[in-house]
Amino acid sequence: DAGVIQSPRHEVTEMGQEVTLRCKPISGHNSLFWYRQTMMRGLELLIYFNNNVPIDDSGMPEDRFSAKMPNASFSTLKIQPSEPRDSAVYFCASRRTGHEKLFFGSGTQLSVL
Amino acid sequence: EDKVVQSPLSLVVHEGDTVTLNCSYEVTNFRSLLWYKQEKKAPTFLFMLTSSGIEKKSGRLSSILDKKELFSILNITATQTGDSAIYLCAVEAYYGGSQGNLIFGKGTKLSVKP
Repeated sequence: DAGVIQSPRHEVTEMGQEVTLRCKPISGHNSLFWYRQTMMRGLELLIYFNNNVPIDDSGMPEDRFSAKMPNASFSTLKIQPSEPRDSAVYFCASRRTGHEKLFFGSGTQLSVL
Repeated sequence: EDKVVQSPLSLVVHEGDTVTLNCSYEVTNFRSLLWYKQEKKAPTFLFMLTSSGIEKKSGRLSSILDKKELFSILNITATQTGDSAIYLCAVEAYYGGSQGNLIFGKGTKLSVKP
């Protein structure tokens, strides 16, 4: 089992640029979550999907953020345009419906200059 | 609004000490409470608690839930430097009759000095 795979591991970009973060959940897991972690705010849920359908996106900061899950094995989180305050570690996590245990990817460290 | 509050935010102890980490919550339609350990990167699962008063134990770590008072504690006995990490508490609520998302606290940063 390869675990949840995120890419890139690190992203450094300039303000105003588009950023795309990618996630491959564990095979067979049908719930996928995107979290953002900062020192100030801790781990915040941005959006989660069940069977590829967005269930709760109330944590998405604003229209600059969008997330898609075109199929069961792939999801993207896009920020356009990026701002310095978006700098954080972005985690993707997945689990099987009916199981509480969430498996996290290694995260993407995003720095917006 | 659902929330999870952990205390203390940070803690420094010496090897061999025993520590207690606290997690209180206010969640509608509580389903379960989970503890995670985060070292360098991804949080890793420690315990899941659903019933009051039943202790979960794994080696030197143990945890218990009080659903009446809405809190949980994580105990670590005979701490080692390898226990240094951020410990995260998360609560899941039912959402529309099915599983919801996990709401995380800000974590407790534990530093164990040799």
